[in-house]
Amino acid sequence: KNEVEQSPQNLTAQEGEFITINCSYSVGISALHWLQQHPGGGIVSLFMLSSGKKKHGRLIATINIQEKHSSLHITASHPRDSAVYICAVGPLSGAGSYQLTFGKGTKLSVIP
Amino acid sequence: DGGITQSPKYLFRKEGQNVTLSCEQNLNHDAMYWYRQDPGQGLRLIYYSQIVNDFQKGDIAEGYSVSREKKESFPLTVTSAQKNPTAFYLCASSIRSSGFHEQFFGPGTRLTVL
Repeated sequence: KNEVEQSPQNLTAQEGEFITINCSYSVGISALHWLQQHPGGGIVSLFMLSSGKKKHGRLIATINIQEKHSSLHITASHPRDSAVYICAVGPLSGAGSYQLTFGKGTKLSVIP
Repeated sequence: DGGITQSPKYLFRKEGQNVTLSCEQNLNHDAMYWYRQDPGQGLRLIYYSQIVNDFQKGDIAEGYSVSREKKESFPLTVTSAQKNPTAFYLCASSIRSSGFHEQFFGPGTRLTVL
């Protein structure tokens, strides 16, 4: 079973700062997901990646398959970015269902 | 709009009562999932279903039951056998696209057992 570790657990930043959240996993995967959970509880998928780098607005996600490590970067952070960011990995096998293994999340607070 | 709906958003029940959480999707996804989230822990899989009339236990299925009579619906029953049912419950569905599975989540139901 894959072990997913995220760091840091909690992060407080000033508005405008560059933010990095890290995720490492123990076993080979098909894809890694970055998810965002706002205080209301609903979860939104930010990225799904299996190699390289993806960018969406101020968010950038990278993955290094050899090192089993991914980072989520937020440029020019804003208070609305305050949320819990969750890393999840998908297994190599599984044509039907797709059972993710989740990290515990990183709680980000951006202060104006 | 396509998506996953869960109802209600907040649910209160007395100890010893069974309660059913609703999950409906109009994304035409075959696979559906139920997760439980507790403070300070990652999401844990309760049950999943790959297809109608079929479902499998996840990591923490004890005290829960599900049904999958329709593709769109995957209700979760929290039974009185579940020792610590107060938690946040998330439903999800997935579809295989270009060799990868993209998973979509509902808004969640927060269950409090008094």
